[in-house]
Amino acid sequence: GDSVTQTEGQVALSEEDFLTIHCNYSASGYPALFWYVQYPGEGPQFLFRASRDKEKGSSRGFEATYDKGTTSFHLRKASVQESDSAVYYCALGGTGGYKVVFGSGTRLLVSP
Amino acid sequence: NAGVIQTPRHKVTGKGQEATLWCEPISGHSAVFWYRQTIVQGLEFLTYFRNQAPIDDSGMPKERFSAQMPNQSHSTLKIQSTQPQDSAVYLCASRDWGSQNTLYFGAGTRLSVL
Repeated sequence: GDSVTQTEGQVALSEEDFLTIHCNYSASGYPALFWYVQYPGEGPQFLFRASRDKEKGSSRGFEATYDKGTTSFHLRKASVQESDSAVYYCALGGTGGYKVVFGSGTRLLVSP
Repeated sequence: NAGVIQTPRHKVTGKGQEATLWCEPISGHSAVFWYRQTIVQGLEFLTYFRNQAPIDDSGMPKERFSAQMPNQSHSTLKIQSTQPQDSAVYLCASRDWGSQNTLYFGAGTRLSVL
């Protein structure tokens, strides 16, 4: 079945560092790919999505590019802030049409 | 738009008791999803309704879990005879069918079974 792999369980950075969180997926066809962010005590919030090869999604300085060749959708941000500390989930919208499958999440800790 | 509303935010039950969790989706959204979140398993799909009809309950533990959507403004997740392993955050999400699978989550209900 469809699946999403996030290799980093936790990432610790300092403010203004560059961020990369790796996401690889396994699915047939062209699933929609998503990033969600979850702050303590809240549900996951939609960050952005991409639906086709080479499409870039972006929001709040975060971005990721859909790469069907490497089946990846890595999250990047040029300069992180302490307020970016949260858990980030990569997800795919199943090619069956409705089910969204989430990765295991990556906890980002940014120190001032 | 108040977003997806889940009540209660926290629920504590004794082993063997029943727990009912409530979800009010975003007005106009035609699909409602339930997920369970734990540290070990992450975000697990439980069940899904579209236009109030149950479509997929493949993630639901078969014996003690049930979900309903009696009208378009709320859904319930009921757990009978709760066990300590049911302790988790239960998340409800809704989506507009034309939104390319974008889910909007509530804040969740943290269930603690003692």
